[in-house]
Amino acid sequence: GAVVSQHPSWVICKSGTSVKIECRSLDFQATTMFWYRQFPKQSLMLMATSNEGSKATYEQGVEKDKFLINHASLTLSTLTVTSAHPEDSSFYICSASIVAGTANNQPQHFGDGTRLSIL
Amino acid sequence: DAKTTQPTSMDCAEGRAANLPCNHSTISGNEYVYWYRQIHSQGPQYIIHGLKNNETNEMASLIITEDRKSSTLILPHATLRDTAVYYCIAANTGNQFYFGTGTSLTVIP
Repeated sequence: GAVVSQHPSWVICKSGTSVKIECRSLDFQATTMFWYRQFPKQSLMLMATSNEGSKATYEQGVEKDKFLINHASLTLSTLTVTSAHPEDSSFYICSASIVAGTANNQPQHFGDGTRLSIL
Repeated sequence: DAKTTQPTSMDCAEGRAANLPCNHSTISGNEYVYWYRQIHSQGPQYIIHGLKNNETNEMASLIITEDRKSSTLILPHATLRDTAVYYCIAANTGNQFYFGTGTSLTVIP
């Protein structure tokens, strides 16, 4: 159980285009989803916290107009990288937490990531 | 969330126990200790977590000191597939995870 699916797993696109990444919790409902970015040989860096039905909370230094997050349901959050440039190339990973109150003390479950390459 | 510190890298012989330490001296009373591992080009895989009691599951054991300022993840019989970066995180349930640099574990044949 507790599977998180990301799509696509990799994408290559031209500079200036926008790219949407989906994160789905397949067998549980997630009040909260998180988005991370990881550059080569570095650790995961939290970008934003996404709560169902409300605006995302972005970490310091992350441009909210650049990285648009939508969390319209308890099983789906999307990250859109707008007007992507080569410096946005990275490994983007999402995670999800089970709805609070239904299962206390549950860990975050991570997707397998999306490798984004901007040419 | 409390900051964690881990050794940068460790080696372990195949079949032996791998003991990975983590320091979280500023952990607060309601923060859990979570362990994940990441194999190259994949998302982090959940291993185990605990609050103050020692925990064991099919993957590993987690030993938390009585003062909760440090913990050790134990992989009882390391295999080559356990080669990965291991992350220790201290956080409240449902709250943000701030990853440190983790420990790169290499299991040697």
